[in-house]
Amino acid sequence: DTGVSQDPRHKITKRGQNVTFRCDPISEHNRLYWYRQTLGQGPEFLTYFQNEAQLEKSRLLSDRFSAERPKGSFSTLEIQRTEQGDSAMYLCASSSGTGVHNEQFFGPGTRLTVL
Amino acid sequence: AQSVTQLDSQVPVFEEAPVELRCNYSSSVSVYLFWYVQYPNQGLQLLLKYLSGSTLVKSINGFEAEFNKSQTSFHLRKPSVHISDTAEYFCAVRPQGAQKLVFGQGTRLTINP
Repeated sequence: DTGVSQDPRHKITKRGQNVTFRCDPISEHNRLYWYRQTLGQGPEFLTYFQNEAQLEKSRLLSDRFSAERPKGSFSTLEIQRTEQGDSAMYLCASSSGTGVHNEQFFGPGTRLTVL
Repeated sequence: AQSVTQLDSQVPVFEEAPVELRCNYSSSVSVYLFWYVQYPNQGLQLLLKYLSGSTLVKSINGFEAEFNKSQTSFHLRKPSVHISDTAEYFCAVRPQGAQKLVFGQGTRLTINP
């Protein structure tokens, strides 16, 4: 198992364009999380899935953001009509969800730059 | 709601010197506590965690952190740092019964030879 992977690692886009990021969790991890990290700040929670169900969404996740995990395996995060304020590192994490020992393993992130 | 404050954004120290990275949190419910480390150009890795039991927890590479409930703190310490400890360190809490992690702003640890 190679850990959590994210694709692409870097994305540069123009304001107003749509972008989609993919996250592949550690196999058999039933929980998947998305976080956003802006420069000089810690990661901020966006949303999480248990299997294919999206169980929690942060207020940070505006209507332009949508996340899916259709088959309970990989997940996509789409941002529509990107704005310069969306520039950040988007982190994905997964966990096996077993009780208190629910360690989240993070991927390397996708760095988004909106011009 | 929860919040985490890391009191120092940058901490420069000399190699083999001791270091303490401070973390305070605020929460209306009980929380689990974590320290994550992010080495240059790498993803976040769990360094150590406090879930219950002994308030002093240790990592395999010499770091330790102590949970102080009365002061709502979880400071990270190492008695002697190495160049390889250069990284950004994030303190985080997870409310009991919840799944999301709430992170502090991070502390950049720079080791000078």
